[in-house]
Amino acid sequence: DVKVTQSSRYLVKRTGEKVFLECVQDMDHENMFWYRQDPGLGLRLIYFSYDVKMKEKGDIPEGYSVSREKKERFSLILESASTNQTSMYLCASSSGVLISEAFFGQGTRLTVV
Amino acid sequence: ILNVEQSPQSLHVQEGDSTNFTCSFPSSNFYALHWYRWETAKSPEALFVMTLNGDEKKKGRISATLNTKEGYSYLYIKGSQPEDSATYLCAFSNQFYFGTGTSLTVIP
Repeated sequence: DVKVTQSSRYLVKRTGEKVFLECVQDMDHENMFWYRQDPGLGLRLIYFSYDVKMKEKGDIPEGYSVSREKKERFSLILESASTNQTSMYLCASSSGVLISEAFFGQGTRLTVV
Repeated sequence: ILNVEQSPQSLHVQEGDSTNFTCSFPSSNFYALHWYRWETAKSPEALFVMTLNGDEKKKGRISATLNTKEGYSYLYIKGSQPEDSATYLCAFSNQFYFGTGTSLTVIP
């Protein structure tokens, strides 16, 4: 059974903290993605990676960075958390084939206070 | 930023009704169009991937059509059931661009 696992289901952090969201996939997928989901705005792409150590900015990268040191792991980093980063964060992975489907993690609900 | 639009934003239907919603996307540089279902407290799950103009896909009571020349796809649900209640997302190209979703509530 394919699996994308996010390290936390719920997180509460303070403004200014450095926050790490971890995502691990067990499907040997090349592509990995981080999205955030806000009411009325759908899924917005923050960053994606198509290979180890490779990363590309999505639509809303400001305030975020990513790390992909191993193929199976893709980390999203909030350098200095702010209240407007309170959101649901979803990680996904897909194979390198353009039409392949994405598999999603269960999501992390982050609240920044 | 590519513009992928879904309509309506939300929909309430009675059990047994049939319904449909729309995904609009840029008609240039088309690779694929994906539909996902996202139930509350679960992860989004793939329903269909379509690549060719005129494609039609079906899974049980749910079907989808694709028009790449005019840039739209329809998702149809026949005889809606309460378990169909979910947000339906379309994604253009290789997962990068999602629409805002259609939230469907089926009232028993």
